[in-house]
Amino acid sequence: DTAVSQTPKYLVTQMGNDKSIKCEQNLGHDTMYWYKQDSKKFLKIMFSYNNKELIINETVPNRFSPKSPDKAHLNLHINSLELGDSAVYFCASNRRGLNTEAFFGQGTRLTVV
Amino acid sequence: EDQVTQSPEALRLQEGESSSLNCSYTVSGLRGLFWYRQDPGKGPEFLFTLYSAGEEKEKERLKATLTKKESFLHITAPKPEDSATYLCALLLIQGAQKLVFGQGTRLTINP
Repeated sequence: DTAVSQTPKYLVTQMGNDKSIKCEQNLGHDTMYWYKQDSKKFLKIMFSYNNKELIINETVPNRFSPKSPDKAHLNLHINSLELGDSAVYFCASNRRGLNTEAFFGQGTRLTVV
Repeated sequence: EDQVTQSPEALRLQEGESSSLNCSYTVSGLRGLFWYRQDPGKGPEFLFTLYSAGEEKEKERLKATLTKKESFLHITAPKPEDSATYLCALLLIQGAQKLVFGQGTRLTINP
């Protein structure tokens, strides 16, 4: 199936740990994103990559480090996890160009205890 | 500051009872307005893009309209399977594209 897929779907970890979330898209898109959805369901952009190049970094703590090994993958590594990092993280992708809709993954629910 | 606000936060309707969801925005230079549907435990699913005031798009029981300050998502004769959170998002171009989302309207259709 053509899609944006994220792993894992659920992640429970202790404060202070380091964790990664992986994202892959097979839609042939050249731009990928990470969004964070908090407990109030607000979706906010964190990062945007175009052809492996960081385009947007929305004042995210530097404990969050995205990595794009190729334009089909965008991973999110989080160091020293804090309670406030608990949220649902969504990966998305689209084609560069005006007004092309973004396709979202199913989300990764991160719970920091 | 670019801002998007959706209302109401939650809406409960009976099956067949038509209504509208609102998305109002303030932005300097709208490039596009997107509507997404989000089911519990899933990612947002694209519904519509609107580009200019006066534009309308339809899909089954949904119709989206756009003015210079707001967009409406009209739901005609809804069914229980239309229950979801509906998200409105502005497309901004600030060196790169990004979507700025509203907080969503949680729609429940009772049978």
